[in-house]
Amino acid sequence: DAGVIQSPRHEVTEMGQEVTLRCKPISGHNSLFWYRQTMMRGLELLIYFNNNVPIDDSGMPEDRFSAKMPNASFSTLKIQPSEPRDSAVYFCASSVGLAGGYSYNEQFFGPGTRLTVL
Amino acid sequence: AQTVTQSQPEMSVQEAETVTLSCTYDTSESNYYLFWYKQPPSRQMILVIRQEAYKQQNATENRFSVNFQKAAKSFSLKISDSQLGDTAMYFCAYEDRDDKIIFGKGTRLHILP
Repeated sequence: DAGVIQSPRHEVTEMGQEVTLRCKPISGHNSLFWYRQTMMRGLELLIYFNNNVPIDDSGMPEDRFSAKMPNASFSTLKIQPSEPRDSAVYFCASSVGLAGGYSYNEQFFGPGTRLTVL
Repeated sequence: AQTVTQSQPEMSVQEAETVTLSCTYDTSESNYYLFWYKQPPSRQMILVIRQEAYKQQNATENRFSVNFQKAAKSFSLKISDSQLGDTAMYFCAYEDRDDKIIFGKGTRLHILP
């Protein structure tokens, strides 16, 4: 089975350019999560969706970041304009759904996109 | 707010030895989930083991086991008979009732031949 697919795997861009990261969750999964990993801050949850609806975007660093999930099989994370401090590895993860409370659904991570903003 | 702390940035151990990675967390919730994730050089995040807070029994997965001390809010990972393939970053993580995972800063583990 294909896992979570992210593209591109590597992205190098110049400051001020728009960057779009893409994610295809595992088929049948209803929840999707975007994370950012940096040396300074570690792994942070940026935003997550359930049934294509954003549930919590409190981790999105600022208005330059936006995320969409137009359908169950595709999500994008956009940075416009990009800045050098956005350089990081961005992970997408999916799960069968939000469990809440006393149950658990494993989040499966994609391979990540390494973004470098010059 | 929940926090996860890993106090060992880096560790090294000889192959076949046992190593314990430490993790403490802070929460006011009574039920939650705790995890250890492995991130090898390939960057892939791999779930190693999970623990449900309402279960007293410590989770085990083959060579990996945890020591869960709920009152102390401690959750350590023990790797027995360590192998070269265990070399990786290990992240302790906490998941709340809203399915949000909070990660520690990680421990870089080197298994030496």
